[in-house]
Amino acid sequence: AQSVTQLDSQVPVFEEAPVELRCNYSSSVSVYLFWYVQYPNQGLQLLLKYLSGSTLVKGINGFEAEFNKSQTSFHLRKPSVHISDTAEYFCAVSEPSGGSYIPTFGRGTSLIVHP
Amino acid sequence: DADVTQTPRNRITKTGKRIMLECSQTKGHDRMYWYRQDPGLGLRLIYYSFDVKDINKGEISDGYSVSRQAQAKFSLSLESAIPNQTALYFCATSETTGGSGEQYFGPGTRLTVT
Repeated sequence: AQSVTQLDSQVPVFEEAPVELRCNYSSSVSVYLFWYVQYPNQGLQLLLKYLSGSTLVKGINGFEAEFNKSQTSFHLRKPSVHISDTAEYFCAVSEPSGGSYIPTFGRGTSLIVHP
Repeated sequence: DADVTQTPRNRITKTGKRIMLECSQTKGHDRMYWYRQDPGLGLRLIYYSFDVKDINKGEISDGYSVSRQAQAKFSLSLESAIPNQTALYFCATSETTGGSGEQYFGPGTRLTVT
């Protein structure tokens, strides 16, 4: 069975500083990986996804993530954050085998950007 | 217009009441899901449906039921609400053919059970 661990529940950072949000997954098969963002009082929206190919994936709003199969990680990075990046970030994994693709979500990381 | 809509957006109800949360989508997706979000627990799957005649329990289905009235509509019911069902509820859809599990979420319903 698949599982996702987001190692930090909260990450405070100053504006214009770089940030990394960590995500590790557990699965016995190949996986698809996702990062979603939830702005205050809104639903979740996709930031980026890894399905296959290049292990460095670029998403919206300047975010990128790198798939590391040997370390079973999919960490999210941004070189310079803005106040508007303050939000909850969720990592998710789905398994293509069997055709269900039902994702498992991590518990979320709250990114707090200070001026 | 939003692709996935949820009604109501906010609801306060009393213990023991029956309540229904509704979800509609215009994305043409066959697959629909109901999740519950609690602080520090992330999203947990309540029920999912891969087509109108297919309903499946998720991780935390106890105390909930669902109805798939049409391809575009998927409602969640709490037969007898209890305070620990106070949470933020999300409906989502995903593609079937060529899909990856990418989810398209509604704006959420904030439910408070007193």
